[in-house]
Formats: sequence, C-alpha cells, structure tokens
Amino acid sequence: SQTIHQWPATLVQPVGSPLSLECTVEGTSNPNLYWYRQAAGRGLQLLFYSVGIGQISSEVPQNLSASRPQDRQFILSSKKLLLSDSGFYLCAWSVFRGRGSNQPQHFGDGTRLSIL
Amino acid sequence: ELKVEQNPLFLSMQEGKNYTIYCNYSTTSDRLYWYRQDPGKSLESLFVLLSNGAVKQEGRLMASLDTKARLSTLHITAAVHDLSATYFCAAVVVLNTGNQFYFGTGTSLTVIP
Repeated sequence: SQTIHQWPATLVQPVGSPLSLECTVEGTSNPNLYWYRQAAGRGLQLLFYSVGIGQISSEVPQNLSASRPQDRQFILSSKKLLLSDSGFYLCAWSVFRGRGSNQPQHFGDGTRLSIL
Repeated sequence: ELKVEQNPLFLSMQEGKNYTIYCNYSTTSDRLYWYRQDPGKSLESLFVLLSNGAVKQEGRLMASLDTKARLSTLHITAAVHDLSATYFCAAVVVLNTGNQFYFGTGTSLTVIP
C-alpha cells in the first residue's frame, strides 16, 4: 500500500532562518507531488506541484522554493523565512493514469511552522 | 484559473438537524472531490464525483454534482457531533501530465450536542 511521510511535524524558527521540509512517498512510482500551505482557519493554497523529477511548477511567487531530486521525494525550502511564512504545510500525492484517472490526492500529516 | 468558492465558511448546527454546504467553481472541471479535515490534522478524501448528476453517499453525508451549474453540494442529514470538522471541495483540471487540484476555502462545521 502507498504511504506518505512528511517531517518534521512541528517547527519553530526565527525570522531570517532557512527552511527545509521533506516529503517522501512509498509504494507508488512517478506520482504527482504537491506542496500546500494552510494559514490558520483558512483554505489550502497550492504552492508547488511536480509531475516528475526536476519538474517543478510554482503557483505563487514568494521566497519559497521546491525541489524533486528523486521520483518520490519532494522538498520545500527557503533561504530566509518571513513572519508571513507561518502556517500548516501539507504535502500531497496523486497517481496520474491518464485523463480518465479519478484518483484523489492523498495528504501527509502536515508540518506546523511557526516563525518568531 | 479555476476558482472554487464554498459557502458557508462557518456553520454551527444542533445535532439532528440537516444542512447543505455549497461548492461553486468558475470554469469547466473534470471532476470534483470532497475532503474532511479534523482540527490539527491532515485531509481525508470523502467523495469523488465524476459526471453530471453524480451522487455519492456515505453515512449521513451525501454529495452531488451539477456540472451545468458548476455546483456541488454536500448534504448533512441528522448531524451528529462526530461530523464536526472542516470540509473542503476541490475541482480538478486534468492536464496531459497530471491533475491540477483547486481547493475551496473550506466550511468549518461545528455540531452542537
């Protein structure tokens, strides 16, 4: 069966510090991978998605970046965190089997990031 | 870009009552999903609706899709406290290489005993 691992679960960091959040998927190959941010009490904002190794699409211009060094690994990074980067970060994957695919997204447990 | 709006944003209701959450999307979507999120937790997939007139039911929740109106509804029947959570709809555009998910703002449901 497929599983998704996201870590760390909670992170408290000072403004201006770097960030690295990691997400890995097991039990499937060539998944579509996604990073979302959810501000407190708000909806999901898509940050990045990837359809393959080294292929990253950015939805929102900001001081975050994403990388996909391996097929089932997706990393969210920042060189200098801002206060506004606080939030709940969710990694997700979905299987793409052509236009007829109806697979939902499967989400990791999330990382709660607080910037002080 | 596809935009998805949900209403209401917040909903408080007594146990035993019925209510409907609405999800509107702005342009053609290939399919529609509903998710549940418990406080501090991740999202759990509830339903996928594939075509016009599709209806799915699980327990006290029933989801439907009207692609002509670009509207999906999540109907709650005889609410119980365990249904308290935030519910998201997501419209999907299928690209040649992958699925692009567009999420609504979420509806925070509190069921009062």
